[in-house]
Amino acid sequence: AQSVAQPEDQVNVAEGNPLTVKCTYSVSGNPYLFWYVQYPNRGLQFLLKYITGDNLVKGSYGFEAEFNKSQTSFHLKKPSALVSDSALYFCAVRDMAGGYQKVTFGTGTKLQVIP
Amino acid sequence: GAVVSQHPSRVICKSGTSVKIECRSLDFQATTMFWYRQFPKQSLMLMATSNEGSKATYEQGVEKDKFLINHASLTLSTLTVTSAHPEDSSFYICSAKKEALAGDTQYFGPGTRLTVL
Repeated sequence: AQSVAQPEDQVNVAEGNPLTVKCTYSVSGNPYLFWYVQYPNRGLQFLLKYITGDNLVKGSYGFEAEFNKSQTSFHLKKPSALVSDSALYFCAVRDMAGGYQKVTFGTGTKLQVIP
Repeated sequence: GAVVSQHPSRVICKSGTSVKIECRSLDFQATTMFWYRQFPKQSLMLMATSNEGSKATYEQGVEKDKFLINHASLTLSTLTVTSAHPEDSSFYICSAKKEALAGDTQYFGPGTRLTVL
């Protein structure tokens, strides 16, 4: 079984400050990990993913995420938040084991960047 | 890029009617497409996985006779909500996967807001 948890329903950060959106996962094998962003009444946009290799993954719009195997975490980060970053962020995981295609999404974290 | 479109973006229908939603991959071939349902302020719930030329695989609890999925080609999948009821009102999102890419990135459509009166 695979699961992903986003412990914070909402994160507030001042514009220009660094931001972190937390994600932890559980898989039986090795994980594929993803971050997506959703703006109101829109579909999800892909931000970045971790498959293998460097633990620090860089993605779109200046976002990055760090894979930490010992802590089973994949937190999303950005050095300097913009008001336009305000949106709903979803972490997702797929277990590499078993060939199962299903990706499990977290419950989402609403990011509010305050001007 | 990898663009996925959905049509219509918004639909309002009467209870008892059927509604068809189209999902197209515009610039790539998608052997696998996914249909999700999203309730307000909640995460995405996978309804079914659709492979081109074969029957869709439905998640537990999703009625296959109510939510008909047809993956007719490598660029088109359709979801038909049959005999719609107000409780079917939701935001439906499709995604498509490029098999050639490692890591299974899913590319999402913009979603369809269904309102059943």
